[in-house]
Amino acid sequence: QKEVEQNSGPLSVPEGAIASLNCTYSDRGSQSFFWYRQYSGKSPELIMFIYSNGDKEDGRFTAQLNKASQYVSLLIRDSQPSDSATYLCAVIPFSGGYNKLIFGAGTRLAVHP
Amino acid sequence: KAGVTQTPRYLIKTRGQQVTLSCSPISGHRSVSWYQQTPGQGLQFLFEYFSETQRNKGNFPGRFSGRQFSNSRSEMNVSTLELGDSALYLCASSPEGPVSGANVLTFGAGSRLTVL
Repeated sequence: QKEVEQNSGPLSVPEGAIASLNCTYSDRGSQSFFWYRQYSGKSPELIMFIYSNGDKEDGRFTAQLNKASQYVSLLIRDSQPSDSATYLCAVIPFSGGYNKLIFGAGTRLAVHP
Repeated sequence: KAGVTQTPRYLIKTRGQQVTLSCSPISGHRSVSWYQQTPGQGLQFLFEYFSETQRNKGNFPGRFSGRQFSNSRSEMNVSTLELGDSALYLCASSPEGPVSGANVLTFGAGSRLTVL
């Protein structure tokens, strides 16, 4: 079992729709969770981080964390073609130590006009 | 505020050579991490430095090493290069300390290494 699992996609959504990206993790003691976006040929850029159960909203993005079920999700409202990228879920496991992020393989999102 | 700066951006080496990559973190950031990204394995943690000390290390062979200087700049070295070392090497820095998002990584543009 991989430590952080994501559906590789591609997830295809029409412009203006809600894109829902999901991630599960194996270390129940994990405390820090991150979503990064990576455009082709570019480096990852942070979208959101979340530490507590529940929802965290930032503009069109909402991160949701459920530690009991060991999943974290990212919702993108009013999806735009510019949102087309690979979305990486990352977790700092309890056993990992300082700043050791474990990344999922990423979900490729395609937003079509 | 300048971001994370990595040099060189692109380089080509042959098997058996060694390579040194450099990273300058965001001003004030004391933690520097290195990651390797390949199409097959994705993003994998190499090591993390804080105040010139390696705090954490990933599952890579000893050919991969790094260090951090007193000004927080970091270098990583790969010796006896193999074809499989071809990858994008990403450096990231984080602020640490009692602030929200202290462990949030900001990545540099990366150094793309091709081993022939």
